[in-house]
Parts: sequence; C-alpha cells; structure tokens
Amino acid sequence: AQKVTQAQTEISVVEKEDVTLDCVYETRDTTYYLFWYKQPPSGELVFLIRRNSFDEQNEISGRYSWNFQKSTSSFNFTITASQVVDSAVYFCALRNTGNQFYFGTGTSLTVIP
Amino acid sequence: EPEVTQTPSHQVTQMGQEVILRCVPISNHLYFYWYRQILGQKVEFLVSFYNNEISEKSEIFDDQFSVERPDGSNFTLKIRSTKLEDSAMYFCASTGGQGFYGYTFGSGTRLTVV
Repeated sequence: AQKVTQAQTEISVVEKEDVTLDCVYETRDTTYYLFWYKQPPSGELVFLIRRNSFDEQNEISGRYSWNFQKSTSSFNFTITASQVVDSAVYFCALRNTGNQFYFGTGTSLTVIP
Repeated sequence: EPEVTQTPSHQVTQMGQEVILRCVPISNHLYFYWYRQILGQKVEFLVSFYNNEISEKSEIFDDQFSVERPDGSNFTLKIRSTKLEDSAMYFCASTGGQGFYGYTFGSGTRLTVV
C-alpha cells in the first residue's frame, strides 16, 4: 500500500525566515516518483518538483530546495527566505508505476509580513 | 506549454441533479484521470481511463459516477444524482504513458451541491 504523511498541518513563519515542510512516504515499489505541489487559494495544483526513486540527489531551484532520503523515506521541502506569496497549501505526493497519485493531507503555510 | 483544460471552473447544482464536468486533456496523451478534493482535505484518486475504458477506480467511484471520452478530445466525469457530499474540487489529469512521463493536472472544477 502507498501512503504519504505530512505531519505538519499548519505552519506560520515571519517573512524572510526559512521553513521546512516534512513529507514521509510508504511504498513497497522499488520504482516510484515523488512530487511537491503548491495549491494557492484559487485552488489549482501548481507543480513544483518531481523526483524518481533512483535519484537521491538533492535539488535547489531558486529559494526552493528538496532533500530526498530513501533511508528514512522522506522527501522534505525547504523554502529559504520565505515571502508572503509563498502562503499556500503544499502537498507531497507519490506516484507508483501504475500511474496513480497518492497525496498527503497537505501543509498550510502562512507567511506573515 | 500544453495544458489540461477544465470547464466550468465553478458549477453550482441542486441536490439530485445530474452534472457533467468536462476536461480537454493534452492532445497526445493516452491516460486520463479524475481526482477529487473535498474542501480542506487531500486530493483523492477517483478513476483512470485508458484505451476507451476504465483501467482503475477507487471506492469513491461508485455507480453514481461515470466517465466518457465521447469525441476523442473531451474527457468527461458525470455524476448521475448529486449529493451534498459531492461538493468538492474535481481535477482532471493526463499523461502520455506509464512511468516517468509528465503528468499534468487541470486547474480544477469547483462543484457546489446545494
């Protein structure tokens, strides 16, 4: 069975602080893909990153960085120097080779000016 | 960049009415999906569709739901007799193949059942 856990329901930070969103996943598949999506108040799912299970290299994209550790089944997401526009709900998701997505329950991030 | 288009963006319907949510997947994609997100909750898989038939469906996708690709471009989700608990955001998605193919979500249709 596949499962994604985002233990942080809500996080508030002051602008310019760094913030890390946690994601822990469970799967018996050896090949799988991990994703982060941002959902602003307008409701659409904005794709942020995709990672496959064979690529544990961390990735940085501007103020965003991701730390994938298979040993702990975690795929954490850090926003550096947060901005008010980062306020949204962030979803971690796992996609198996059957193409179905399994989403976590989301973390609602509020960045206070 | 190619997009998955969903219409309408917001639909209000009366309980018991039939509703059809429409999606235009990316043109060369082969696999199509519907997901549902009840307000404040996670996004949940409803159904996948390939080669003109359902390939997988969840427990949520009961007899009240059906999907169709009527004309080779549209992909529709029909809810036969809507209930209050069907109020949710419905996302359509498509992908070109299995594995590490790009998987694109539409911007969603917010369905409100009153």
